[in-house]
Amino acid sequence: GQQLNQSPQSMFIQEGEDVSMNCTSSSIFNTWLWYKQDPGEGPVLLIALYKAGELTSNGRLTAQFGITRKDSFLNISASIPSDVGIYFCAGHPISYNAGKSTFGDGTTLTVKP
Amino acid sequence: SQTIHQWPATLVQPVGSPLSLECTVEGTSNPNLYWYRQAAGRGLQLLFYSVGIGQISSEVPQNLSASRPQDRQFILSSKKLLLSDSGFYLCAWSNGARQPQHFGDGTRLSIL
Repeated sequence: GQQLNQSPQSMFIQEGEDVSMNCTSSSIFNTWLWYKQDPGEGPVLLIALYKAGELTSNGRLTAQFGITRKDSFLNISASIPSDVGIYFCAGHPISYNAGKSTFGDGTTLTVKP
Repeated sequence: SQTIHQWPATLVQPVGSPLSLECTVEGTSNPNLYWYRQAAGRGLQLLFYSVGIGQISSEVPQNLSASRPQDRQFILSSKKLLLSDSGFYLCAWSNGARQPQHFGDGTRLSIL
């Protein structure tokens, strides 16, 4: 089945720094999604991307759907302490799959005040 | 707006005991429903999904089962829990093949 490679696995940054993480797939996806999970809670959708080349922002977050349709990245600008959490990428393959998402293993972000 | 409810939030069970976790969705009809398990510090493992009442697909062989007795109700069960069943269980719903999944707040299950 499809697999997503998400990197980096973890990041330790200073408050105010920018963050970049990415996700790559061996197969083509027609949807890319980015989620954030706070400790002890379920993941929350941050950004959804549906078109190759699409660049979408949500506040300080920006995500792009790669031109090859096999990758996506998420940038966080001017990080703050509440950005701490696990960020997951997810994608949907081009074939019908009952809406099952393939998830990356997550990027754990730690922000030092 | 749509909401998803999971309960209980935390559960401590002895090995060999039964399990029933419930998930309900409000504000939408005929959603796709999903059960995931997440080990500490790990990613999400899809356990079951359902595209309609009584329709359950299992992703991995295991000690668990799922049922969908009503359109917006999804239940995760076990007859006899194992130590390896410990984890954080998440229910999610979506409205279609390309639509994002939306997650509940999860159930932390500890097996003693």
